[in-house]
Amino acid sequence: SAVISQKPSRDICQRGTSLTIQCQVDSQVTMMFWYRQQPGQSLTLIATANQGSEATYESGFVIDKFPISRPNLTFSTLTVSNLSPEDSSIYLCSVEFVHQRGKLFFGSGTQLSVL
Amino acid sequence: QKEVEQNSGPLSVPEGAIASLNCTYSDRGSQSFFWYRQYSGKSPELIMFIYSNGDKEDGRFTAQLNKASQYVSLLIRDSQPSDSATYLCAVTEVYGGSQGNLIFGKGTKLSVKP
Repeated sequence: SAVISQKPSRDICQRGTSLTIQCQVDSQVTMMFWYRQQPGQSLTLIATANQGSEATYESGFVIDKFPISRPNLTFSTLTVSNLSPEDSSIYLCSVEFVHQRGKLFFGSGTQLSVL
Repeated sequence: QKEVEQNSGPLSVPEGAIASLNCTYSDRGSQSFFWYRQYSGKSPELIMFIYSNGDKEDGRFTAQLNKASQYVSLLIRDSQPSDSATYLCAVTEVYGGSQGNLIFGKGTKLSVKP
């Protein structure tokens, strides 16, 4: 089965710094997305990662805080900038595979803790 | 605001019993419905999807959809301790298309006691 590799799996960062999360897929995908799962909360869509163009952000999320790149079809990065303790959360990459349209699959997630 | 509601639980059932997980949604335009299983410290795993009213069975899992009542459920037959996890309900307006606009519930924690 297809693999969605996400790294780092966890990190502890200082306030004011940034963390970049990578997502690599080993199969053809149509769409790539970034979600956040705060403690005790549901998953919230941050943005759609568009290949070769600016990401599409959901309400409440901005590019300056969550810059996203997607240089090719199977790779994307999410940066969480100017970290504060409120950014402590799990960040998840998700994809729709070409051969499984209409269904979202998730990477292993990144547990971020901000001190 | 579109919402997906789930009882947070924990729902505790004995091994071998049927676990029934429920979900209601606010958007009448919703077309596709998903159940994800999330083990503690792990990412969500898609276990069922349903598009049409009625029941859909896959092994020990049955998804039930009632669009008129805006209600979707997941039944787990012959529950096993390995089924202990949080189950997330997710809903979207999109039928058979890209699913970036999934709305997730907060999940129901299921505990299956040996």
